[in-house]
Amino acid sequence: EDKVVQSPLSLVVHEGDTVTLNCSYEVTNFRSLLWYKQEKKAPTFLFMLTSSGIEKKSGRLSSILDKKELFSILNITATQTGDSAVYLCAVESGNTGKLIFGQGTTLQVKP
Amino acid sequence: DAGVTQSPTHLIKTRGQQVTLRCSPISGHKSVSWYQQVLGQGPQFIFQYYEKEERGRGNFPDRFSARQFPNYSSELNVNALLLGDSALYLCASSYRTGPSQGEKLFFGSGTQLSVL
Repeated sequence: EDKVVQSPLSLVVHEGDTVTLNCSYEVTNFRSLLWYKQEKKAPTFLFMLTSSGIEKKSGRLSSILDKKELFSILNITATQTGDSAVYLCAVESGNTGKLIFGQGTTLQVKP
Repeated sequence: DAGVTQSPTHLIKTRGQQVTLRCSPISGHKSVSWYQQVLGQGPQFIFQYYEKEERGRGNFPDRFSARQFPNYSSELNVNALLLGDSALYLCASSYRTGPSQGEKLFFGSGTQLSVL
């Protein structure tokens, strides 16, 4: 059965800290891995990593994909209170556009 | 540009009733997906439609159905509601950048359904 597992499930840090969120997966017919940030309702797109793009960076956020070991990490440097959210990892399986989500990591950044 | 819009934002129903949720995709996106998110869990795939055809279906009972219209908007219907159907229902629209490329999904704010 396809599955995506995120760790830790929750994390509390202080502003300025660096955090690393983990995502491991076992999915047949892997196409891509995506990271989303969910603050209230709508998950907002952060990164998509595929075989042709295994490292992405945007400002303080960066992500890598290890297709051999079947995991990805999301790094956030110099965290801010506005980074507080649930971070979701999802893997696209097959050609149906189906995303398999992990449970999410709840990040709380304290002032 | 407008993002993915969903209506209604909140809905309260009783067991056994039927509900219809609506979604309008981002302009230019031809694919619409539906996900169910229970509190504390990641979203679970229900359906994906592309060019009005069902492209994929998740592990949900036949009480769940959907369709896509010529303007690419979509409806999700759930019949004979159960207490366990209470959840946030998310709609996403997407495009594929190339035949071998991944598909970026852009989500709406969802419909919060409460079944009493």
